[in-house]
Amino acid sequence: QKEVEQDPGPLSVPEGAIVSLNCTYSNSAFQYFMWYRQYSRKGPELLMYTYSSGNKEDGRFTAQVDKSSKYISLFIRDSQPSDSATYLCAMMGNYQLIWGAGTKLIIKP
Amino acid sequence: EPEVTQTPSHQVTQMGQEVILRCVPISNHLYFYWYRQILGQKVEFLVSFYNNEISEKSEIFDDQFSVERPDGSNFTLKIRSTKLEDSAMYFCASSGEGQPLHFGNGTRLTVT
Repeated sequence: QKEVEQDPGPLSVPEGAIVSLNCTYSNSAFQYFMWYRQYSRKGPELLMYTYSSGNKEDGRFTAQVDKSSKYISLFIRDSQPSDSATYLCAMMGNYQLIWGAGTKLIIKP
Repeated sequence: EPEVTQTPSHQVTQMGQEVILRCVPISNHLYFYWYRQILGQKVEFLVSFYNNEISEKSEIFDDQFSVERPDGSNFTLKIRSTKLEDSAMYFCASSGEGQPLHFGNGTRLTVT
């Protein structure tokens, strides 16, 4: 079993829809949970960062962590074509950052 | 907002040549990292660096690779004798204590 599982997609939704992106993990030692957005040929850009279970909101983005189920989510409200990118979940328990495979998201105008 | 900068954006080299990829991390960060991403694949950890020494490295980071922080601002990755399979995007990242990583835009290395 991989340490972090993430559906690679692609996920295609119409503009304005609510998007739900998810990752599951197996290592209960993970303490930090992050979502990165990566545009083609660019570096991963940090979107959200959470330390504990619960929700964290930033504008149109909400990150959710459920440590008991080992499940994290990123919700994007009012999705825009500019949100089209690959979204990577990442988790850290010590120095090493463990990445999901990334989900390619396509927002259709 | 401060950012991690990497140079060059694209490096082409012949197999067997040495390359040095350069990074300027965010100035008050203490932890530095190199990752790579082969086209279409996952981001892979190479090495982490703290307090002027390697703190952790992956199995990818073999004797052909080395890192250095030659002065107070730069963080470099050297590949001594490049192979075709070293072709990838190389990302530098930095972080503060207990903080998430911030990435540069990467150097695309093409080995011919």
